[in-house]
Amino acid sequence: AQSVTQPDIHITVSEGASLELRCNYSYGATPYLFWYVQSPGQGLQLLLKYFSGDTLVQGIKGFEAEFKRSQSSFNLRKPSVHWSDAAEYFCAVGPLTGTASKLTFGTGTRLQVTL
Amino acid sequence: DAGVIQSPRHEVTEMGQEVTLRCKPISGHNSLFWYRQTMMRGLELLIYFNNNVPIDDSGMPEDRFSAKMPNASFSTLKIQPSEPRDSAVYFCASSLSSEETQYFGPGTRLLVL
Repeated sequence: AQSVTQPDIHITVSEGASLELRCNYSYGATPYLFWYVQSPGQGLQLLLKYFSGDTLVQGIKGFEAEFKRSQSSFNLRKPSVHWSDAAEYFCAVGPLTGTASKLTFGTGTRLQVTL
Repeated sequence: DAGVIQSPRHEVTEMGQEVTLRCKPISGHNSLFWYRQTMMRGLELLIYFNNNVPIDDSGMPEDRFSAKMPNASFSTLKIQPSEPRDSAVYFCASSLSSEETQYFGPGTRLLVL
C-alpha cells in the first residue's frame, strides 16, 4: 500500500530565509509525486509534480522539489520565503498509470512565516 | 477559465437533516473525486468517478453517504441523515482520466449541529 509521511507538522521560518519541507513516500512501483498548497479557507493548489526525467522539478511561486529514489523522498524547497507563503503544504503520491486514480496525501506541514 | 466549482461554500444544518453538496468539474475533465478533510483524519478520498461511473467508493464512511454523477458536468455528494461527526470540509477535484493531476475546488465547509 502506498503511504506518505510528512514528519514536520509545523514549521516556522523568517521571511527571506530558505525553506525545506520533507516528504517521504512508500510505494512499490514508480510513483507520481505532487506537492499541493492550501491557504486558509481555500482549496488545494498544485505547486509541482514529478513522474520522470530530471529529478529536480520547478513549480509555481518559486518552489522546487527534488526526487531522490534512494531515499524515497520528495522534499520541497524555496530559497527565500515570503510572508504570503504561510499556508499548509501537502505531499501526495499516486500510481504512474497514465490514468486518473487515487492519490494518497500526507498529513500536511503548516508553515508559519515571521516578519 | 473556470476551475472546479462547488456549492454551497458553507452549510450549517441540524443533525438528522439531509445535506447535498454539489460539484461542477473543469470542462473536459472526465474524472471526479470527492474528499473530506478534518483535523483528526486529514484529507480522505471518499469516492471517485471516471466517465461518470463510480470506480472506487471504499472511502465512503457509511450508507448515510451517497454520491452520484448523472452527467460529465455535475456531481452530488449526499449525506442523509447528517450527524455532528460529519462536520468537515468537503472537496471536489477533477482531472482528465488520462492524467494523474487533480485540480481541487474551494471546498464546502459543513457544520452539523
